[in-house]
Amino acid sequence: AQSVTQLDSQVPVFEEAPVELRCNYSSSVSVYLFWYVQYPNQGLQLLLKYLSGSTLVKGINGFEAEFNKSQTSFHLRKPSVHISDTAEYFCAVSDLRSNSGYALNFGKGTSLLVTP
Amino acid sequence: DGGITQSPKYLFRKEGQNVTLSCEQNLNHDAMYWYRQDPGQGLRLIYYSQIVNDFQKGDIAEGYSVSREKKESFPLTVTSAQKNPTAFYLCASSMNTEAFFGQGTRLTVV
Repeated sequence: AQSVTQLDSQVPVFEEAPVELRCNYSSSVSVYLFWYVQYPNQGLQLLLKYLSGSTLVKGINGFEAEFNKSQTSFHLRKPSVHISDTAEYFCAVSDLRSNSGYALNFGKGTSLLVTP
Repeated sequence: DGGITQSPKYLFRKEGQNVTLSCEQNLNHDAMYWYRQDPGQGLRLIYYSQIVNDFQKGDIAEGYSVSREKKESFPLTVTSAQKNPTAFYLCASSMNTEAFFGQGTRLTVV
């Protein structure tokens, strides 16, 4: 079974500083990897995804992530954060159980708090 | 606009009652999913459906039931057997590799 570990439950950062949100996964097979963002009391919005090919994936809102197969990691980065980036971020891996389609296994989330 | 609509946004339930959460999509997606979100727990899969009239249990299906009579609709019933139903419930649908989420229903037991 696939699982996801988000190493930081909370990440405080000052506005315009860089940020990295860490994600490690475990799987014995090839997987698809995703980062989602959730604003308070809302659904999830896809930031970016890794399916295959280039290990550096660019997403919306200036975010990017790098897939590292040897370290089984998929860390999310942004070079300069804004106040509006304050939200909950979830890393997810595709669930490869039979007949599940693209059901996802999620990490527990990282709360990003950007302050002036 | 295409998307996923969950209703109601807030729902209050008395102990011992069954409640049904609505999820409708107009994206023409075959697959639909229900997740439960608790603070600090991430999202956990309750049920999923790949096609009409077929659905499978996820990781935490006990105390829940679903139906998939139409492609567009995947309602979730929280039964009285669910001992701790207070949570945020998210519905999703997918085509190929991307899942789209609704805005969620917050269920509170009073």
